[in-house]
Amino acid sequence: QQQVKQSPQSLIVQKGGISIINCAYENTAFDYFPWYQQFPGKGPALLIAIRPDVSEKKEGRFTISFNKSAKQFSLHIMDSQPGDSATYFCAASKRARGGANNLFFGTGTRLTVIP
Amino acid sequence: EAGVAQSPRYKIIEKRQSVAFWCNPISGHATLYWYQQILGQGPKLLIQFQNNGVVDDSQLPKDRFSAERLKGVDSTLKIQPAKLEDSAVYLCASNPWGAWENTEAFFGQGTRLTVV
Repeated sequence: QQQVKQSPQSLIVQKGGISIINCAYENTAFDYFPWYQQFPGKGPALLIAIRPDVSEKKEGRFTISFNKSAKQFSLHIMDSQPGDSATYFCAASKRARGGANNLFFGTGTRLTVIP
Repeated sequence: EAGVAQSPRYKIIEKRQSVAFWCNPISGHATLYWYQQILGQGPKLLIQFQNNGVVDDSQLPKDRFSAERLKGVDSTLKIQPAKLEDSAVYLCASNPWGAWENTEAFFGQGTRLTVV
Protein backbone atom coordinates (compact mmCIF):
# COMPACT_ATOMS: atom_id res chain seq x y z
CA GLN A 1 0.00 0.00 0.00
CA GLN A 2 1.47 3.31 -1.10
CA GLN A 3 1.36 5.66 1.87
CA VAL A 4 2.26 8.71 -0.20
CA LYS A 5 1.02 9.14 -3.77
CA GLN A 6 3.05 11.34 -6.11
CA SER A 7 2.41 12.77 -9.56
CA PRO A 8 3.40 13.22 -12.28
CA GLN A 9 5.82 10.39 -12.91
CA SER A 10 7.84 12.57 -15.25
CA LEU A 11 7.88 16.27 -16.08
CA ILE A 12 9.54 18.29 -18.82
CA VAL A 13 9.83 22.03 -18.32
CA GLN A 14 11.48 24.81 -20.29
CA LYS A 15 14.27 26.76 -18.63
CA GLY A 16 12.78 29.60 -16.64
CA GLY A 17 9.43 27.87 -16.26
CA ILE A 18 7.67 26.63 -13.13
CA SER A 19 7.86 22.96 -12.17
CA ILE A 20 5.03 21.62 -10.01
CA ILE A 21 4.98 18.21 -8.37
CA ASN A 22 2.04 17.00 -6.31
CA CYS A 23 1.68 14.54 -3.46
CA ALA A 24 -1.22 13.21 -1.42
CA TYR A 25 -1.43 11.17 1.75
CA GLU A 26 -4.11 9.47 3.83
CA ASN A 27 -2.59 8.99 7.27
CA THR A 28 -3.38 12.02 9.43
CA ALA A 29 -0.68 10.95 11.89
CA PHE A 30 2.00 12.19 9.50
CA ASP A 31 3.59 15.30 10.94
CA TYR A 32 6.60 16.03 8.77
CA PHE A 33 6.72 16.38 5.00
CA PRO A 34 10.11 16.65 3.31
CA TRP A 35 11.08 16.75 -0.33
CA TYR A 36 14.22 14.99 -1.52
CA GLN A 37 16.25 15.55 -4.67
CA GLN A 38 18.18 12.67 -6.19
CA PHE A 39 20.71 12.85 -9.02
CA PRO A 40 21.70 9.71 -10.94
CA GLY A 41 24.11 7.56 -8.98
CA LYS A 42 23.61 9.57 -5.79
CA GLY A 43 21.56 9.11 -2.68
CA PRO A 44 18.57 11.36 -2.00
CA ALA A 45 19.34 14.73 -0.43
CA LEU A 46 16.94 16.83 1.60
CA LEU A 47 15.69 19.80 -0.39
CA ILE A 48 13.02 21.43 1.76
CA ALA A 49 10.55 20.29 4.43
CA ILE A 50 7.36 21.50 6.07
CA ARG A 51 5.27 20.77 9.15
CA PRO A 52 1.46 20.61 8.94
CA ASP A 53 0.98 23.72 11.07
CA VAL A 54 2.01 26.01 8.18
CA SER A 55 0.54 26.26 4.70
CA GLU A 56 3.61 27.35 2.80
CA LYS A 57 7.37 27.34 3.10
CA LYS A 58 9.77 29.00 0.71
CA GLU A 59 13.51 28.55 0.36
CA GLY A 60 15.02 30.34 -2.60
CA ARG A 61 13.36 29.06 -5.79
CA PHE A 62 11.71 26.14 -3.98
CA THR A 63 8.30 26.39 -2.30
CA ILE A 64 6.17 23.80 -0.54
CA SER A 65 2.44 24.41 -0.47
CA PHE A 66 0.56 22.38 2.12
CA ASN A 67 -3.20 21.78 2.32
CA LYS A 68 -3.95 19.95 5.53
CA SER A 69 -7.70 19.57 4.95
CA ALA A 70 -7.13 18.04 1.51
CA LYS A 71 -4.13 16.03 2.73
CA GLN A 72 -2.10 17.27 -0.18
CA PHE A 73 1.20 19.05 -0.59
CA SER A 74 3.17 20.20 -3.57
CA LEU A 75 6.63 21.37 -4.59
CA HIS A 76 6.98 24.41 -6.82
CA ILE A 77 10.31 25.16 -8.49
CA MET A 78 10.38 28.68 -9.82
CA ASP A 79 12.67 29.76 -12.67
CA SER A 80 13.57 26.12 -13.32
CA GLN A 81 17.16 25.54 -14.45
CA PRO A 82 18.83 22.65 -16.30
CA GLY A 83 20.74 21.92 -13.09
CA ASP A 84 17.41 21.14 -11.42
CA SER A 85 17.04 18.08 -13.66
CA ALA A 86 16.79 15.21 -11.19
CA THR A 87 14.30 12.88 -9.58
CA TYR A 88 12.22 14.43 -6.80
CA PHE A 89 10.62 12.44 -4.01
CA CYS A 90 8.03 13.66 -1.58
CA ALA A 91 7.90 11.92 1.76
CA ALA A 92 6.00 11.85 5.02
CA SER A 93 7.01 10.86 8.49
CA LYS A 94 5.27 10.02 11.73
CA ARG A 95 6.40 9.09 15.20
CA ALA A 96 6.20 5.38 15.81
CA ARG A 97 6.36 3.27 18.91
CA GLY A 98 9.69 3.07 20.65
CA GLY A 99 11.08 6.20 19.06
CA ALA A 100 11.27 4.79 15.58
CA ASN A 101 10.18 7.10 12.81
CA ASN A 102 9.71 5.77 9.34
CA LEU A 103 9.97 8.04 6.33
CA PHE A 104 7.47 6.99 3.65
CA PHE A 105 8.53 8.05 0.17
CA GLY A 106 6.45 8.76 -2.91
CA THR A 107 7.25 7.03 -6.18
CA GLY A 108 9.29 9.94 -7.53
CA THR A 109 9.07 12.46 -10.36
CA ARG A 110 11.77 12.67 -12.97
CA LEU A 111 12.17 16.33 -13.87
CA THR A 112 13.91 17.40 -17.05
CA VAL A 113 14.54 21.10 -17.62
CA ILE A 114 15.21 21.90 -21.26
CA PRO A 115 17.69 24.74 -21.93
CA GLU B 1 32.48 16.59 7.06
CA ALA B 2 32.72 13.18 5.42
CA GLY B 3 29.47 11.72 4.17
CA VAL B 4 27.91 8.30 4.56
CA ALA B 5 30.18 5.73 2.93
CA GLN B 6 28.86 2.58 1.31
CA SER B 7 30.52 -0.31 -0.46
CA PRO B 8 30.56 -1.88 -2.88
CA ARG B 9 28.99 0.54 -5.38
CA TYR B 10 27.84 -2.28 -7.65
CA LYS B 11 27.30 -5.99 -7.23
CA ILE B 12 26.07 -8.65 -9.63
CA ILE B 13 25.24 -12.09 -8.26
CA GLU B 14 23.29 -15.13 -9.32
CA LYS B 15 20.04 -15.98 -7.60
CA ARG B 16 20.41 -18.10 -4.48
CA GLN B 17 23.86 -16.65 -3.80
CA SER B 18 24.57 -14.50 -0.77
CA VAL B 19 25.74 -10.88 -0.69
CA ALA B 20 26.73 -8.33 1.93
CA PHE B 21 26.73 -4.55 1.91
CA TRP B 22 28.67 -2.27 4.20
CA CYS B 23 27.87 1.18 5.54
CA ASN B 24 29.94 3.66 7.53
CA PRO B 25 27.72 6.48 8.80
CA ILE B 26 28.77 10.03 9.53
CA SER B 27 30.87 10.16 12.68
CA GLY B 28 28.76 10.67 15.78
CA HIS B 29 25.45 9.80 14.14
CA ALA B 30 23.55 7.50 16.47
CA THR B 31 20.81 6.50 14.06
CA LEU B 32 21.39 4.41 10.96
CA TYR B 33 18.86 3.31 8.36
CA TRP B 34 18.92 0.82 5.50
CA TYR B 35 16.57 1.52 2.61
CA GLN B 36 15.75 -0.53 -0.49
CA GLN B 37 15.07 1.46 -3.66
CA ILE B 38 13.67 -0.59 -6.52
CA LEU B 39 14.01 1.00 -9.96
CA GLY B 40 11.25 3.54 -10.53
CA GLN B 41 10.13 3.55 -6.90
CA GLY B 42 10.84 5.54 -3.79
CA PRO B 43 13.11 4.17 -1.07
CA LYS B 44 11.52 1.76 1.38
CA LEU B 45 12.80 1.36 4.94
CA LEU B 46 14.24 -2.05 5.75
CA ILE B 47 15.69 -1.49 9.21
CA GLN B 48 16.56 1.29 11.65
CA PHE B 49 19.28 1.18 14.30
CA GLN B 50 19.71 3.46 17.28
CA ASN B 51 23.34 3.00 18.28
CA ASN B 52 23.72 -0.80 18.07
CA GLY B 53 20.11 -1.65 18.88
CA VAL B 54 17.34 -2.33 16.38
CA VAL B 55 14.48 0.18 16.62
CA ASP B 56 12.38 -0.93 13.66
CA ASP B 57 12.82 -3.96 11.42
CA SER B 58 9.16 -4.55 10.68
CA GLN B 59 9.68 -4.38 6.91
CA LEU B 60 12.82 -6.48 6.77
CA PRO B 61 12.26 -9.89 5.10
CA LYS B 62 13.87 -11.77 7.94
CA ASP B 63 13.84 -15.13 6.19
CA ARG B 64 16.59 -13.89 3.87
CA PHE B 65 17.75 -10.46 5.05
CA SER B 66 19.81 -9.74 8.14
CA ALA B 67 21.59 -6.66 9.42
CA GLU B 68 23.85 -5.77 12.27
CA ARG B 69 25.55 -2.71 13.61
CA LEU B 70 28.59 -3.56 15.61
CA LYS B 71 29.67 -1.14 18.34
CA GLY B 72 27.06 1.32 17.16
CA VAL B 73 29.12 2.50 14.19
CA ASP B 74 29.46 0.52 10.94
CA SER B 75 26.66 -1.66 9.70
CA THR B 76 26.32 -4.59 7.33
CA LEU B 77 23.24 -5.78 5.48
CA LYS B 78 23.20 -9.34 4.19
CA ILE B 79 20.93 -11.20 1.81
CA GLN B 80 21.00 -14.98 1.79
CA PRO B 81 19.80 -16.45 -0.51
CA ALA B 82 19.16 -13.68 -3.02
CA LYS B 83 16.12 -13.62 -5.30
CA LEU B 84 15.61 -11.85 -8.60
CA GLU B 85 13.23 -9.37 -6.94
CA ASP B 86 16.03 -8.23 -4.61
CA SER B 87 17.58 -6.33 -7.51
CA ALA B 88 17.59 -2.75 -6.26
CA VAL B 89 19.75 0.02 -4.88
CA TYR B 90 20.41 -0.38 -1.16
CA LEU B 91 20.77 2.96 0.55
CA CYS B 92 22.22 3.66 3.95
CA ALA B 93 21.34 6.85 5.81
CA SER B 94 22.27 8.32 9.18
CA ASN B 95 21.35 11.22 11.43
CA PRO B 96 22.31 12.28 14.93
CA TRP B 97 18.98 12.08 16.71
CA GLY B 98 16.81 9.46 15.07
CA ALA B 99 14.05 11.89 14.26
CA TRP B 100 13.68 13.01 10.67
CA GLU B 101 12.00 16.24 11.62
CA ASN B 102 14.65 17.36 14.07
CA THR B 103 17.62 17.20 11.83
CA GLU B 104 18.56 16.25 8.34
CA ALA B 105 19.32 12.63 7.55
CA PHE B 106 22.16 12.01 5.12
CA PHE B 107 22.09 9.27 2.51
CA GLY B 108 25.02 7.40 1.05
CA GLN B 109 25.39 6.82 -2.70
CA GLY B 110 23.97 3.33 -2.39
CA THR B 111 24.92 -0.13 -3.60
CA ARG B 112 23.29 -1.24 -6.82
CA LEU B 113 22.54 -4.96 -6.65
CA THR B 114 21.65 -6.97 -9.73
CA VAL B 115 20.49 -10.54 -9.24
CA VAL B 116 20.60 -12.66 -12.40
